[in-house]
Amino acid sequence: GNSVTQMEGPVTLSEEAFLTINCTYTATGYPSLFWYVQYPGEGLQLLLKATKADDKGSNKGFEATYRKETTSFHLEKGSVQVSDSAVYFCALSALGFQKLVFGTGTRLLVSP
Amino acid sequence: DTAVSQTPKYLVTQMGNDKSIKCEQNLGHDTMYWYKQDSKKFLKIMFSYNNKELIINETVPNRFSPKSPDKAHLNLHINSLELGDSAVYFCASSQDPWTSDRSYEQYFGPGTRLTVT
Repeated sequence: GNSVTQMEGPVTLSEEAFLTINCTYTATGYPSLFWYVQYPGEGLQLLLKATKADDKGSNKGFEATYRKETTSFHLEKGSVQVSDSAVYFCALSALGFQKLVFGTGTRLLVSP
Repeated sequence: DTAVSQTPKYLVTQMGNDKSIKCEQNLGHDTMYWYKQDSKKFLKIMFSYNNKELIINETVPNRFSPKSPDKAHLNLHINSLELGDSAVYFCASSQDPWTSDRSYEQYFGPGTRLTVT
């Protein structure tokens, strides 16, 4: 079946540090890939997406590249801010399936 | 001008009670969803409706009954609440993935935190 595996958190960084959150997936066919972010006490917001191999999604300084050869969609940011502290979810949607399959989420804590 | 709204935001109730959570979207989407987020933040789909028809039911107990009176609303009714039902429930909506492009995005509501005592 379709699944998403994320690195376990929490990830603790100092402000301006480089961020990587690993995400790998298993899916039939060619899924679309997403990163969602959940700030404390809020719902999920779409951060970025990629729909085919080698696509790069980017938003708010975050980037992720759809790597079909390694079935990965790692999230990166060059310089994190305290306001980036949140839980980040990697997710996929497989063609023909009307649902998102989420990873377990990775909590990011950024200290000043 | 909230895109996806849910009520109530918090719901505290006792075991055995029946409760409902309402969801409305003003995005003109055809497809709506309910997700459950457990205490470890794990998110799992419960139901999906497309044009008021049930499409996905992910082995959710019969005590949970979604109802879609129209395309803009998807309510969740829960009978005989149990301690294990305590969670945050998220409603979401999207364009119909069968008619839109593959990269359909789901827009989430703010969540309803249900606590069963």
